Amino acid sequence: KNEVEQSPQNLTAQEGEFITINCSYSVGISALHWLQQHPGGGIVSLFMLSSGKKKHGRLIATINIQEKHSSLHITASHPRDSAVYICAVGAQKLVFGQGTRLTINP
Amino acid sequence: EAGVAQSPRYKIIEKRQSVAFWCNPISGHATLYWYQQILGQGPKLLIQFQNNGVVDDSQLPKDRFSAERLKGVDSTLKIQPAKLEDSAVYLCASSRTGVEHNEQFFGPGTRLTVL
Repeated sequence: KNEVEQSPQNLTAQEGEFITINCSYSVGISALHWLQQHPGGGIVSLFMLSSGKKKHGRLIATINIQEKHSSLHITASHPRDSAVYICAVGAQKLVFGQGTRLTINP
Repeated sequence: EAGVAQSPRYKIIEKRQSVAFWCNPISGHATLYWYQQILGQGPKLLIQFQNNGVVDDSQLPKDRFSAERLKGVDSTLKIQPAKLEDSAVYLCASSRTGVEHNEQFFGPGTRLTVL
């Protein structure tokens, strides 16, 4: 079993839909990261959180330390949100999930 | 501030050839990471530097992979000789050091294809 599991692996939705991507982990952590990777490979950090909830624009990330679970939500999804979303846990050394490929159709 | 720079962006080689990748981290970032990301998977840490010293290279295939960060700034990752299974995106990242919850900043990656 992987230390970091994401679900779903692939998600296709229509523009405007509310999106939820889940991440479960089995190791002790000091922080959880949500990353976005567009075609071409570059990775952008979206959130780093160790408790509670963070919001940035249409993106919301939550974490439940007791349940070792985090969710990334996208409200009013748009085709430009299409990307791979990766959950990673740890401090300086990160363990990555396999990613969730999100496709938003117009 | 300028981001993490990597070159080349793309490289195609034949198996058994050698290849080198270059990374220049964000100025002032003491920690530098090299990751290998195989298609459809999350990144896997190959090596982590703190200044010019190696912190973790436990997943680096040392028979063919080498990395250095001689002056504690930019870094090179070399593969010699390359195998088909080395086809992947090689990501460099950097972070400040000494503080927990360090955020890592990623470069654009180098996509390697081994034929």
